[in-house]
Amino acid sequence: EAGVVQSPRYKIIEKKQPVAFWCNPISGHNTLYWYLQNLGQGPELLIRYENEEAVDDSQLPKDRFSAERLKGVDSTLKIQPAELGDSAVYLCAAGTGEGYGYTFGSGTRLTVV
Amino acid sequence: EDKVVQSPLSLVVHEGDTVTLNCSYEVTNFRSLLWYKQEKKAPTFLFMLTSSGIEKKSGRLSSILDKKELFSILNITATQTGDSAIYLCAVYNNDMRFGAGTRLTVKP
Repeated sequence: EAGVVQSPRYKIIEKKQPVAFWCNPISGHNTLYWYLQNLGQGPELLIRYENEEAVDDSQLPKDRFSAERLKGVDSTLKIQPAELGDSAVYLCAAGTGEGYGYTFGSGTRLTVV
Repeated sequence: EDKVVQSPLSLVVHEGDTVTLNCSYEVTNFRSLLWYKQEKKAPTFLFMLTSSGIEKKSGRLSSILDKKELFSILNITATQTGDSAIYLCAVYNNDMRFGAGTRLTVKP
């Protein structure tokens, strides 16, 4: 199995531009998380999906961030417009619930200039 | 508010040393505690702990959970340079919330 695949690996954009990240989880992994990780810090939860339903988006800055998971498989995370402070690594993790070790993708490193 | 606190934040040791990493937590509806190793980008799963006092082992790594005192430790014996990484502790209660991590550097 290929694991959790994220794209792109790197993205550089100018501030105020939109950006989107994709996550393709392992088949059958109904729970999917998006995290933001700043340098030297642990991952911070943005949103959790159970299948296609966003069950916890309380940490998602909804004025500029949005996410979707159509059909409960692939997911996208969008920022519009991006700000300098959004520069970070965006990680996607997927699993089958119950706290069993989730599998992380390699992340997307976003740089906003 | 749920909290996961790791200590120390960074640690430098020499090969062969034994290290102990700490994770304390305050969360509602605790279900499990997980340890991950992060070398480059993707954290990789090490252990999941649900019961107090039961040690999980994998080679030179071991971990134990104390649900009464709300903490866990991760031990690494006979450290090697390849153990250099950030070690992340996470608590699962439907959401998976991470601490800030401990950056371990093992020098030859």
